Amino acid sequence: QKEVEQNSGPLSVPEGAIASLNCTYSDRGSQSFFWYRQYSGKSPELIMFIYSNGDKEDGRFTAQLNKASQYVSLLIRDSQPSDSATYLCAAILNAGNNRKLIWGLGTSLAVNP
Amino acid sequence: DTGVSQDPRHKITKRGQNVTFRCDPISEHNRLYWYRQTLGQGPEFLTYFQNEAQLEKSRLLSDRFSAERPKGSFSTLEIQRTEQGDSAMYLCASSLSGGPKEQYFGPGTRLTVT
Repeated sequence: QKEVEQNSGPLSVPEGAIASLNCTYSDRGSQSFFWYRQYSGKSPELIMFIYSNGDKEDGRFTAQLNKASQYVSLLIRDSQPSDSATYLCAAILNAGNNRKLIWGLGTSLAVNP
Repeated sequence: DTGVSQDPRHKITKRGQNVTFRCDPISEHNRLYWYRQTLGQGPEFLTYFQNEAQLEKSRLLSDRFSAERPKGSFSTLEIQRTEQGDSAMYLCASSLSGGPKEQYFGPGTRLTVT
């Protein structure tokens, strides 16, 4: 089992809909979780991070963390064609290994006009 | 611009040549990371520094790869005797050492080995 897993997609949603992206992780000691957006040929751009159970909202984006079930999700409300990108989930694992992020392979999102 | 910068943005080289990339982190960030990314994959960790100390290096990194951060500010990544399999996007990121440690990426250097 990979340490951070995401569905590769593509996930296709119509413009204006809610896009839901999911990520699971294997290490119960994982601390912080990050969502990055990456456009083709560009570098990852940080969208949000979360480290407490529950929801964290920033504009159209909401990150949700459930440590008991070991998943973290990203909701994008009122999806726009410009949201079409690959979304990478990353986690800092247990306290003894907090020096690097462990990455998922990313989920491709297509928002159709 | 106070973000992470990388130079060059693109590099085409012939197999066997040496290449060097530079990364300038966000000024107050004491951690600097190097990653490599190929199409359809997440970033692959190469190495990271805290100030001038190189604290971890990936076991996947061959001896042809070396990185330095001599004054705790900018960093260089050198690849000696390049191979076609080295073709990838090389990403640099920086972070603080405290708090959630979120990393901010530079634009990357795309290396093509012919």
